[in-house]
Amino acid sequence: KAGVTQTPRYLIKTRGQQVTLSCSPISGHRSVSWYQQTPGQGLQFLFEYFSETQRNKGNFPGRFSGRQFSNSRSEMNVSTLELGDSALYLCASSLVPGAVTGELFFGEGSRLTVL
Amino acid sequence: AQTVTQSQPEMSVQEAETVTLSCTYDTSENNYYLFWYKQPPSRQMILVIRQEAYKQQNATENRFSVNFQKAAKSFSLKISDSQLGDTAMYFCAFMPRTGANNLFFGTGTRLTVIP
Repeated sequence: KAGVTQTPRYLIKTRGQQVTLSCSPISGHRSVSWYQQTPGQGLQFLFEYFSETQRNKGNFPGRFSGRQFSNSRSEMNVSTLELGDSALYLCASSLVPGAVTGELFFGEGSRLTVL
Repeated sequence: AQTVTQSQPEMSVQEAETVTLSCTYDTSENNYYLFWYKQPPSRQMILVIRQEAYKQQNATENRFSVNFQKAAKSFSLKISDSQLGDTAMYFCAFMPRTGANNLFFGTGTRLTVIP
């Protein structure tokens, strides 16, 4: 079965713009979480969605937001982009939050470059 | 707060040899999962092995095994019979068993398998 699909894979934006990234989880998975990966800060949890509701949020400013649709697909949005937002954004899905196995399945990520 | 520490930024091993990657963590939680994820140059994070904290037996997956020392909060990964395809970044991660998919990652160890 298809894995976690993230689009776009690469994008370049300028400071002050906004960006929307998309994540389609594995079929049947209802929980989607997002992570930011940078060389300086490593991998950091952004937020998690389940049944169209944000269940958990990491320590990121309000410029970072997300949502989940009824088909479990999720989007994250970053407004008023800053240079420091340049990162690989990873999406992960699981059947339900805190699944019995605890396993998350990751997508290949969206590489955002802010100029 | 949960923290995960990987003290070896880079390691190398000869093909067919054995290598051990170190990981320590700090938490006040009693129920949690520990993971080792592999991120090859293609970027997709892949689960290597998982350990549930309440299980005393060390997890094993083919050539991969862990040494889980709960009291010492240590979780090392041993790779036996190293293969060229094992070349990747390896991340140790912690997830409290709270029902949320919030992974706390270490900074990673870049492993190179030398032919």
